[in-house]
Amino acid sequence: NAGVMQNPRHLVRRRGQEARLRCSPMKGHSHVYWYRQLPEEGLKFMVYLQKENIIDESGMPKERFSAEFPKEGPSILRIQQVVRGDSAAYFCASSRQGAYMNTEAFFGQGTRLTVV
Amino acid sequence: AQSVTQLGSHVSVSEGALVLLRCNYSSSVPPYLFWYVQYPNQGLQLLLKYTSAATLVKGINGFEAEFKKSETSFHLTKPSAHMSDAAEYFCAVSGNTPLVFGKGTRLSVIA
Repeated sequence: NAGVMQNPRHLVRRRGQEARLRCSPMKGHSHVYWYRQLPEEGLKFMVYLQKENIIDESGMPKERFSAEFPKEGPSILRIQQVVRGDSAAYFCASSRQGAYMNTEAFFGQGTRLTVV
Repeated sequence: AQSVTQLGSHVSVSEGALVLLRCNYSSSVPPYLFWYVQYPNQGLQLLLKYTSAATLVKGINGFEAEFKKSETSFHLTKPSAHMSDAAEYFCAVSGNTPLVFGKGTRLSVIA
């Protein structure tokens, strides 16, 4: 019974490159959330997706960031033309029910992105 | 809008002493409240959640939290700290938004 799987665990990119982060939700979960954690900060919500739909992207930066959760395969968080300020830990969570209900969200171990 | 304030970014206790981590929330709708724990370089693990069924909530590893509506608080406690409790603890609220987290409290346990 695998949990939420994120890969890679660590990712190093040079400024200007693209970063692609993957998240496979727990079996039976169709709701996926992405969060970003900066040093000394809590987790900041970025985007909430269901299969093939973006439900809430109120936390996504307006440029360079995008997310998808296709019918088949993992959810992808894509950061284009990375800058040093994008260096952070990115966490994915999944749940069986929707975000606005009393439901437990299970978190992956995160992808730690370092931009050099 | 919903928000969480965790008082004290770092708490240090002796092994065997009481653990008290403070959390106050703000919510325009009845809140759902959660405590998560994060060990170094790991993801978040749910400790406990408030479901509105009971104001005193028991979680894993001996932790519990009490929902106090009048104080808008959801403080986390454990009667006796263990070395393995050293970690970062996050309080979170939801209700009409995805989980909104506090900035976290780092718990150190001194032998």
